[in-house]
Amino acid sequence: DQQVKQNSPSLSVQEGRISILNCDYTNSMFDYFLWYKKYPAEGPTFLISISSIKDKNEDGRFTVFLNKSAKHLSLHIVPSQPGDSAVYFCALERGQLTFGSGTQLTVLP
Amino acid sequence: NAGVTQTPKFQVLKTGQSMTLQCAQDMNHNSMYWYRQDPGMGLRLIYYSASEGTTDKGEVPNGYNVSRLNKREFSLRLESAAPSQTSVYFCASSEAGGFGYTFGSGTRLTVV
Repeated sequence: DQQVKQNSPSLSVQEGRISILNCDYTNSMFDYFLWYKKYPAEGPTFLISISSIKDKNEDGRFTVFLNKSAKHLSLHIVPSQPGDSAVYFCALERGQLTFGSGTQLTVLP
Repeated sequence: NAGVTQTPKFQVLKTGQSMTLQCAQDMNHNSMYWYRQDPGMGLRLIYYSASEGTTDKGEVPNGYNVSRLNKREFSLRLESAAPSQTSVYFCASSEAGGFGYTFGSGTRLTVV
């Protein structure tokens, strides 16, 4: 039974527009929620995180939102750039990381 | 550059063969992890080592063994490879717990 779900395998967005990536989870016992970014032939790299006691965290063009009542996590990228094209994984932390299946974001020039 | 180094980058095995995937980190991290990535499945934890001298099973440990050789090195062994173990394997390390992993660049393994 998957604890973390990313229901959209892919997303295409025009350059300059907003990208919204979503993640749903089933278990409320996680301490931190993270987003990782992965380019082809590379390992995932940490992007941004949010504590379970917060509902929003910003870092430049990236904002993560946490809705604990809905068990929903989202990543907003504004404005989107072609270099943002990658696979994005949400991950939930409680001792170790549990990853979602990933969403391939393509930002079109 | 500091980070996590995995060897080899690519490997083709025949069913039943054995091999060891090597991982080393130079960040003095306590915790190390092995994940596999399969299409549509994301990253699934195989084994982890919270500190030198300890190892624990993750979500998908069957068919694998691990050794935490010292603080820097964490190896993953396939004793008798099966086609179902065809995957991309990632090693990662962290200072403590599951926060802020640093990943290696991966090993693409094909079992025929």
